[in-house]
Amino acid sequence: ETGVTQTPRHLVMGMTNKKSLKCEQHLGHNAMYWYKQSAKKPLELMFVYNFKEQTENNSVPSRFSPECPNSSHLFLHLHTLQPEDSALYLCASSQGLGPTDTQYFGPGTRLTVL
Amino acid sequence: AQTVTQSQPEMSVQEAETVTLSCTYDTSESNYYLFWYKQPPSRQMILVIRQEAYKQQNATENRFSVNFQKAAKSFSLKISDSQLGDTAMYFCAFRAGNDMRFGAGTRLTVKP
Repeated sequence: ETGVTQTPRHLVMGMTNKKSLKCEQHLGHNAMYWYKQSAKKPLELMFVYNFKEQTENNSVPSRFSPECPNSSHLFLHLHTLQPEDSALYLCASSQGLGPTDTQYFGPGTRLTVL
Repeated sequence: AQTVTQSQPEMSVQEAETVTLSCTYDTSESNYYLFWYKQPPSRQMILVIRQEAYKQQNATENRFSVNFQKAAKSFSLKISDSQLGDTAMYFCAFRAGNDMRFGAGTRLTVKP
């Protein structure tokens, strides 16, 4: 289970802090995703990148800023977050964007906003 | 908009028994894919099984099989011969084009 790695695994931040989540995939995939997983709620797709280009932004607030410098790395920059942003943030990658391209997930970053 | 509903927040099953997890969805799309994902307590989510909507035959992967009822928009997961390692959250998901939706999940506990 080391194909997709995420750091840090746990993060606690204040509402005025700026932090970044990092995702790295070692699978040679071209597509990467950020998901938000809140307790007892469906997994929410936040952003999709394909060949470093953003293809989806599902009405995510601007306090979340993604960055994809290359096909292997994906960042989620956080600033001025709210307590309701506390959640598990999952990164995933897939070979392509087709529905038969299996998404491989990382272990997630558990974010707590105080 | 597509929606995915998992009506069973928690379930339990005895080891070696069979359990079925329910999932219903709503869509106006005719071509789509359905998935079941497993998220063990260690948190890394993995794909269990995938079903293409235009295929009538139910998908099967070893002990995991689905009952896909397209007209009823139902997509249940059957786990046979349950094992302790099957304890996890199970998420049903729907995909049409770039739109991917997940259900809220069912927490399954396999008891020894």
